[in-house]
Amino acid sequence: AQSVTQLGSHVSVSEGALVLLRCNYSSSVPPYLFWYVQYPNQGLQLLLKYTSAATLVKGINGFEAEFKKSETSFHLTKPSAHMSDAAEYFCAVRAGGSNYNLTFGKGTLLTVNP
Amino acid sequence: EPEVTQTPSHQVTQMGQEVILRCVPISNHLYFYWYRQILGQKVEFLVSFYNNEISEKSEIFDDQFSVERPDGSNFTLKIRSTKLEDSAMYFCASSPSGGPQETQYFGPGTRLLVL
Repeated sequence: AQSVTQLGSHVSVSEGALVLLRCNYSSSVPPYLFWYVQYPNQGLQLLLKYTSAATLVKGINGFEAEFKKSETSFHLTKPSAHMSDAAEYFCAVRAGGSNYNLTFGKGTLLTVNP
Repeated sequence: EPEVTQTPSHQVTQMGQEVILRCVPISNHLYFYWYRQILGQKVEFLVSFYNNEISEKSEIFDDQFSVERPDGSNFTLKIRSTKLEDSAMYFCASSPSGGPQETQYFGPGTRLLVL
């Protein structure tokens, strides 16, 4: 079975500062990893995904994440936060094979201060 | 850009009543999913659906739940007799295929409140 742990339910940064949202996973098979973002009153939108092609994955809105197998991590970063980045961020894992479902973390609420 | 839509956005019901949550997946997608998020908890998988049958379901998806694709566009989740603990945000998602690397596209959710 797979699982995801997101460290920090709430992260607050200043505009222009580095954003780092942490995600650790557990999976008995090579995982597929996803970051989704949820803006208020909207659905979950894919930011980026790791599918074993490259360990550093670039996504939309300037976000990127690095898959580190030795650390079982897939942390999300952005060099410079913008006010529009304020949202809830979810890390998710999918084990592959005939397992269709995404297993999500609890989410991290990012606030960006002016 | 195509998107998944869900109706209603909010639903309030009395315990024991039946509710039907509706979703319109992206038109050329073949796999459909329901997830839910109880306030303050993780987004949890309920069920996946392909070729007019359930392909996978979680322990949460008991006999009180059912899914249906009644026509070529809608995908519904029915809760036969709602309980207080069914209060949650319900998300519908769809994907072009069932591959593990495939992106699942989510709708905005239906917030269900059971009184």
